[in-house]
Amino acid sequence: KAGVTQTPRYLIKTRGQQVTLSCSPISGHRSVSWYQQTPGQGLQFLFEYFSETQRNKGNFPGRFSGRQFSNSRSEMNVSTLELGDSALYLCASSFDGERNTQYFGPGTRLTVL
Amino acid sequence: AQSVTQLGSHVSVSEGALVLLRCNYSSSVPPYLFWYVQYPNQGLQLLLKYTSAATLVKGINGFEAEFKKSETSFHLTKPSAHMSDAAEYFCAVSGSNTGFQKLVFGTGTRLLVSP
Repeated sequence: KAGVTQTPRYLIKTRGQQVTLSCSPISGHRSVSWYQQTPGQGLQFLFEYFSETQRNKGNFPGRFSGRQFSNSRSEMNVSTLELGDSALYLCASSFDGERNTQYFGPGTRLTVL
Repeated sequence: AQSVTQLGSHVSVSEGALVLLRCNYSSSVPPYLFWYVQYPNQGLQLLLKYTSAATLVKGINGFEAEFKKSETSFHLTKPSAHMSDAAEYFCAVSGSNTGFQKLVFGTGTRLLVSP
């Protein structure tokens, strides 16, 4: 079974722009979570989607948003990019329900100039 | 709220030596605990998880961890280190009060393996 895929793998943007990252979960998985990884703040939870609904949210500003489609694929969007948004963005999927293990994709490396 | 503390940002061992990576957790509800490994320029790979079944958990690549409630610890061990174990290791916790899909990670421990 194919793992979690994320596109693009690398992205360079400038301040003020917006960006959309995509995540395709493992086939059959309905929960998708997003995390931000930076050297200074480490790994931080952004949000989780299950059956097209946001089920949980971390402490990030409203510039960070996401959505999930009926096929469980998910996108996250960051508007008005800031230098501090430079990070590795990781997507994770899990099978169903809240108690299942999350499996991570390779991440999207976003650089904001 | 939940949190984890990983003692030691870097741990160095010789090939063939015991690996011990420390993780202490704080949780007001029964925790689910995880160890993930991250190789350079890659995502996180699950090593093992504790979900209130057996307290000694065996994972992939010869790693295991023991849940000790009295010590609020979930340390990761491997009897004999291999060069390929060099990577960054993250301990994480989740629970019913904040949502099982919301993992709270430690700051990570980089394992260095010398020949």
